[in-house]
Amino acid sequence: DTGVSQDPRHKITKRGQNVTFRCDPISEHNRLYWYRQTLGQGPEFLTYFQNEAQLEKSRLLSDRFSAERPKGSFSTLEIQRTEQGDSAMYLCASSSYTPQETQYFGPGTRLLVL
Amino acid sequence: AQTVTQSQPEMSVQEAETVTLSCTYDTSENNYYLFWYKQPPSRQMILVIRQEAYKQQNATENRFSVNFQKAAKSFSLKISDSQLGDTAMYFCAFIHITGANSKLTFGKGITLSVRP
Repeated sequence: DTGVSQDPRHKITKRGQNVTFRCDPISEHNRLYWYRQTLGQGPEFLTYFQNEAQLEKSRLLSDRFSAERPKGSFSTLEIQRTEQGDSAMYLCASSSYTPQETQYFGPGTRLLVL
Repeated sequence: AQTVTQSQPEMSVQEAETVTLSCTYDTSENNYYLFWYKQPPSRQMILVIRQEAYKQQNATENRFSVNFQKAAKSFSLKISDSQLGDTAMYFCAFIHITGANSKLTFGKGITLSVRP
């Protein structure tokens, strides 16, 4: 069990560029979650997958955001045409099958949009 | 609406002393779990303690314990014998365990500083 990993850890981009983040969950965890955390705030839910199926998306997830989890393993979160308001920490978490199982978080990807 | 309120933005405690972090929440559901997560500076979020809402007994994990008052929708965290390594942001969160809703709802967090 190597924990949840995320790549890259930091990303600086210019407004209007596309960025993609990757999350590798704990092996055998069926559920994978994406959250966004802005400075001084708690994480806010973006979306989650059960295996390869994306089961819920927050209203925070605009059309510029897309997430995938092919084959139910790693996941990617892409932001198209980035805006300065997208600057935040993007956290990934994973858990076992049932909703009450503890979610284990990765170190996050800190995005800065200039 | 599902909300979590942590009204104290910052707290400070002397090393070896005891500190209590408060949290209230609002939900219309009856089946849920409550969590306290710790986020040290520039490090990842880790679970401190969890409480099943159907259990009356308060959860305890070593120096960490909770005071869960279901009727009042209150879920406070007590840290005994505070250590310098306890310095972090602490987030209260809950999750419903019925239906398709599986997201954690977090409070804004509280910054705890342990003084040597």
